[in-house]
Amino acid sequence: IQLTQSPSLLSASVGDRVTLSCKGSQNINNYLAWYQQKLGEAPKLLIYKTNSLQTGIPSRFSGSGSGTDYTLTISSLHSEDLATYYCYQYNNGYTFGSGTKLEIK
Amino acid sequence: EVQLVESGGGLVQPGNSLKLSCAASGFTFSDYAMAWVRQSPKKGLEWVATIIYDGSSTYYRDSVKGRFTISRDNAKSTLYLQMDSLRSEDTATYYCAIQLRDWFAYWGQGTLVTVSS
Repeated sequence: IQLTQSPSLLSASVGDRVTLSCKGSQNINNYLAWYQQKLGEAPKLLIYKTNSLQTGIPSRFSGSGSGTDYTLTISSLHSEDLATYYCYQYNNGYTFGSGTKLEIK
Repeated sequence: EVQLVESGGGLVQPGNSLKLSCAASGFTFSDYAMAWVRQSPKKGLEWVATIIYDGSSTYYRDSVKGRFTISRDNAKSTLYLQMDSLRSEDTATYYCAIQLRDWFAYWGQGTLVTVSS
């Protein structure tokens, strides 16, 4: 399964509501996770099984979707959210998207 | 606190071998499946291999089957990746990770492997 993330680059202001998209080439059956990677750091799990928040992750992060289309939403952008965000599917093999780089205006 | 510390990366010539290690602490290592995931500018993030909690089963991506071997020493809380017949396309930062069911819950900081003559 191939994953297409959009946009590849997103610029937003602190306090904005931000939505990142991930589309699968086939049905993912909700077996989708989201990772955050800050510059020079390892990826960090934010959400698994479409909408389950990993322990310790702020509640401003949420996930939704079904079938082939999934979304990561940040309800109110913080400056520390500057990062690249990857979706990851585990319905059929294990594959990652190419990422959305989130910039702070 | 969960800690995963990779080591063993470096510059290696095509066709040669390298062995990576991942020292784990802060959790009961023998209870969890572990994985290696790599990241390169050209290919992005790629799952490489998984080993279940007791080492009795292992899984690999097709491009490394027969060349890479994942193993673990539960007495030492250490994960390994033996990489043989290395190719330029194996150049990447290699991360070890705790695998919960089918996702990677915690990651180490990574070790860089460069395959070049």
